[in-house]
Amino acid sequence: KNEVEQSPQNLTAQEGEFITINCSYSVGISALHWLQQHPGGGIVSLFMLSSGKKKHGRLIATINIQEKHSSLHITASHPRDSAVYICAAWMDSSYKLIFGSGTRLLVRP
Amino acid sequence: ETGVTQSPTHLIKTRGQQVTLRCSSQSGHNTVSWYQQALGQGPQFIFQYYREEENGRGNFPPRFSGLQFPNYSSELNVNALELDDSALYLCASTFGTANYGYTFGSGTRLTVV
Repeated sequence: KNEVEQSPQNLTAQEGEFITINCSYSVGISALHWLQQHPGGGIVSLFMLSSGKKKHGRLIATINIQEKHSSLHITASHPRDSAVYICAAWMDSSYKLIFGSGTRLLVRP
Repeated sequence: ETGVTQSPTHLIKTRGQQVTLRCSSQSGHNTVSWYQQALGQGPQFIFQYYREEENGRGNFPPRFSGLQFPNYSSELNVNALELDDSALYLCASTFGTANYGYTFGSGTRLTVV
């Protein structure tokens, strides 16, 4: 079992839909990152959070430390949101990020 | 200079050869980590350098080695390339070891034939 698991693996949505991507982790962490990766490979850091909720534009990230679960929400999705979304958990004990396998999102016009 | 720059962007090598990938960290960032991302998978941690010393390593064999230079640029070296080494190699930089947030490069796509 991977230490960080994401669901779904693939997601297709119509423009305007509300999207949720989930991330669960099995070990204690101090922070969780949500990243966006476009087809060219470059990764953009969207959020880093250790508790509660953060919002940036149409993106919202939440984390529940007790339940070891985080979600990334996209409101009013747009085709330009199409990308792979990856969650990564920071392990204080080993000073490294453990990545989920990513969720491939396609938003159709 | 802002951002993390990796070079080259694409590379094709033959099995058994050696390769060096380069990463220029964001200004002020003294920690760099390297990741291997196979097609359709999430990145896997290779190793991390802080102030020119390796301070973390994932489950990669010794033929994967690295260097970090005083200007905080770094290299990933892979010896005796195998077909399974074909992947996107990403580097990410940050300040310190306390996870203040990473800046990622665009990656080097390595193909081993």
